[in-house]
Order: sequence, then structure tokens, then C-alpha cells
Amino acid sequence: QSALTQPASVSGSPGQSITISCTGTSSEVAGYKYVSWYQQQPGKAPKLMIYDVTNRPSGVSNRFSGSKSGNTASLTISGLQAEDEADYYCSSYTTNNTHVVFGGGTKLTVL
Amino acid sequence: QVQLVQSGAEVKKPGASVTVSCKVSRYTLTELSMHWVRQAPGKGLEWMGGFDPEDGETIYAQKFQGRVTMTEDTSTDTAYMELSSLRSEDTAVYYCATDTGGLRFLAWAFDYWGQGTLITVSS
Repeated sequence: QSALTQPASVSGSPGQSITISCTGTSSEVAGYKYVSWYQQQPGKAPKLMIYDVTNRPSGVSNRFSGSKSGNTASLTISGLQAEDEADYYCSSYTTNNTHVVFGGGTKLTVL
Repeated sequence: QVQLVQSGAEVKKPGASVTVSCKVSRYTLTELSMHWVRQAPGKGLEWMGGFDPEDGETIYAQKFQGRVTMTEDTSTDTAYMELSSLRSEDTAVYYCATDTGGLRFLAWAFDYWGQGTLITVSS
């Protein structure tokens, strides 16, 4: 069982917006700014999409945005495109000896 | 930008050890904070350990303490991850990845990734 809880799947139609949640505790998500989001296409390495809750690395589309409220972080993808179909993982720094924990992943389907 | 190229897939027997390499190009290893993340087949991501530039030491997830060793050869800009006492549950793709904070601080976000190395543990 993952330390961070994500929905197993979400779906949306092209052009729509979707939000993926990532729920933790005060030991990670709520307590620190170190929340990140990764996109993983089948058979590929993960790609960093969001870091420090809201920041986008250079080259990542501004259709991707991150936020946090209390124990829950969120990734919003606006203007869904077919190429956004992938697995998405959140991660956070944690005070326990694991240091970094990931969510179980969310499969995004673009209908 | 940073390029990370990992060694090829391996099959190991239970109880054996495996070493995965990660060659850095376009940057030098001394400019980076290298980490290792694994992913079991069909499962999520799991951080194993990495270099903490604030302490100048390598830190490991408690789960792997005593079984994993991460080293660096700065003369060849190659990072290594050795995992010992392998068991079937260690079957996974192993990735090297760099922390976005570089050598300034740990940002706990990983921006450049190797292509992954599949390690299969089977008798």
C-alpha cells in the first residue's frame, strides 16, 4: 500500500480539464512544499511535470498545474489532449526514514 | 541537458548481487545529486536512495539499508547502484535520476532519468 493515495483512474474528453488528487498526512504533503508530479508513458521513464507543489520545469506545457490544500495535493490538466494519456504519480518528501514517498499512480484515459 | 545512460538488463538468482551503472553525459557527475528509483512490474515508483549535497553523504530508504550501496566514479562520470541478497520481490526496472536542486540543496524532485534497467530475479 502506497504512502500517498491517488485514484486508480480518471478520464476525460479532449479539451476538458481533469484533476488528480494525492492525499497524504502531516508527515509529508501537508507539512512540506516538496510535492512533485510525474507523467509516465508505457515503457518509458517518468517525466517530471510539477515540483515544489506548483512549479513547472522548463518545457512542460502550462496546461499542467499543481496545487495543495492541507493533506491533499492536486494535479490539474486543462485542455486535455490525446498525448496526455499516461500514468501519473505524485511524490512528497516525508519525515520518516523513507525520505521520499510516491502515490500508487493514476491512469489517465483520454476518451 | 543531462543525459543518463544505464547498463543493460540482467537476470540474477536469489541471493546474488547486482550492480547497475548510470553514465552521465553533457554534465559531470560532480555537478549532480544522483538518486535511484525502482518500479516493480505493473507497480508504482519506489525511491531507494541518493546523494544529499547538504550533508555530502548518500542516504538510503530504510527498507534498503544494509542491502544497497550507491557509489560514484567521478573519473568516468558513472554512478553505480549495487543491491545484494536479491529476492524475487526485487524484480523491477531500476532508474537513476537527478535531483532538481543539483548540489545546492535537495529538492526531492527528479528531473532527468535514465532509460531504466530491468533486473529479473529468478531461480
